[in-house]
Amino acid sequence: DVKVTQSSRYLVKRTGEKVFLECVQDMDHENMFWYRQDPGLGLRLIYFSYDVKMKEKGDIPEGYSVSREKKERFSLILESASTNQTSMYLCASSPGTDYNEQFFGPGTRLTVL
Amino acid sequence: GQNIDQPTEMTATEGAIVQINCTYQTSGFNGLFWYQQHAGEAPTFLSYNVLDGLEEKGRFSSFLSRSKGYSYLLLKELQMKDSASYLCAVTDSNYQLIWGAGTKLIIKP
Repeated sequence: DVKVTQSSRYLVKRTGEKVFLECVQDMDHENMFWYRQDPGLGLRLIYFSYDVKMKEKGDIPEGYSVSREKKERFSLILESASTNQTSMYLCASSPGTDYNEQFFGPGTRLTVL
Repeated sequence: GQNIDQPTEMTATEGAIVQINCTYQTSGFNGLFWYQQHAGEAPTFLSYNVLDGLEEKGRFSSFLSRSKGYSYLLLKELQMKDSASYLCAVTDSNYQLIWGAGTKLIIKP
């Protein structure tokens, strides 16, 4: 069964802390994505990766970085968390084919105090 | 720019039928997805259309007209558990998925 897991469902951090959000997929998918979702704004793409060690900026990359050292793992890093980064973070993966259905992890609800 | 429009919110009655519309303007088209998302949960796949016409899957159907840049999701025999947000997403010419903001569907008894 297709599975995407995220390291935490809920996370509370303080302003200025460095935050790591981990995502792992077991489907051998080429593509991985990080989104944030806020009420009324829908899904907004932060970063994505089409291959190991490869990354591309999405629509809102400011304040974030990513790492993909292994095919199955895609990490999102908040170098210095701020209150406006309080949000639901969703990781997704898709096969590297024309049919690009995305499979989502359960999400991490991050609160920055 | 690329744009996907969906109504923000809709209300329907249990047992009834509801149609959620999606219009899109994207650089190219390589397919359209509908996802369901319950509050506090991740989106889950509902349907995929790449050719014009209607795709039926149980109580849910999805329609596509590429010439009009239009799709709809039809939900029949509504149940309370259908209360959720419904997201429309289009694959553009670069095979990137462009997301709509979602339609929150409220089902009343």
